[in-house]
Amino acid sequence: AQKITQTQPGMFVQEKEAVTLDCTYDTSDQSYGLFWYKQPSSGEMIFLIYQGSYDEQNATEGRYSLNFQKARKSANLVISASQLGDSAMYFCAMAYNNNDMRFGAGTRLTVKP
Amino acid sequence: DAGITQSPRHKVTETGTPVTLRCHQTENHRYMYWYRQDPGHGLRLIHYSYGVKDTDKGEVSDGYSVSRSKTEDFLLTLESATSSQTSVYFCAIRAGTGTGDANQPQHFGDGTRLSIL
Repeated sequence: AQKITQTQPGMFVQEKEAVTLDCTYDTSDQSYGLFWYKQPSSGEMIFLIYQGSYDEQNATEGRYSLNFQKARKSANLVISASQLGDSAMYFCAMAYNNNDMRFGAGTRLTVKP
Repeated sequence: DAGITQSPRHKVTETGTPVTLRCHQTENHRYMYWYRQDPGHGLRLIHYSYGVKDTDKGEVSDGYSVSRSKTEDFLLTLESATSSQTSVYFCAIRAGTGTGDANQPQHFGDGTRLSIL
């Protein structure tokens, strides 16, 4: 069965420092996609970054990068130069079978001034 | 922002009553999804649609039905609401016209907070 695991319920980081949010996944599919979403306290879900299972290079989007280690089945999100506005819940998700999507339980990130 | 509108935004109802949530999109996307979000579970897929009148079940479909009679509207119905269906419900849409488009991200509406007493 497809499963996404986020082992860090909560994380703290000092403003301007980098932070890594962990995500591991379990699938027997060869083709899948990995996503990260941010959910601020206002509740909306914001797409951050995508990594395809066949992509050889790690995805980057501004201050966000995805550390993709296929053999370990991990897709960690790295946020560089943290800002106070980065405080939010972060969800890792995996898309497979073209339509199904599984989400992890999330990590609550708090950025300290 | 993706053109997705969920209605109502908040609803309180009683056990045993029928409830319908509406998701309306202006993007003309083929794929639409309904999720529920509960503490400790992240988002879980209820049902999805890959075209008008084409729907399929997700991970937690029991107790829910959906309909899609127009590209722009995707309805989620709780035929007889139970307290276990108290949750925040999100609609999402995804671009793409066929297989291999799973790399397109899903974009979410603002959610509907449903309380069943």
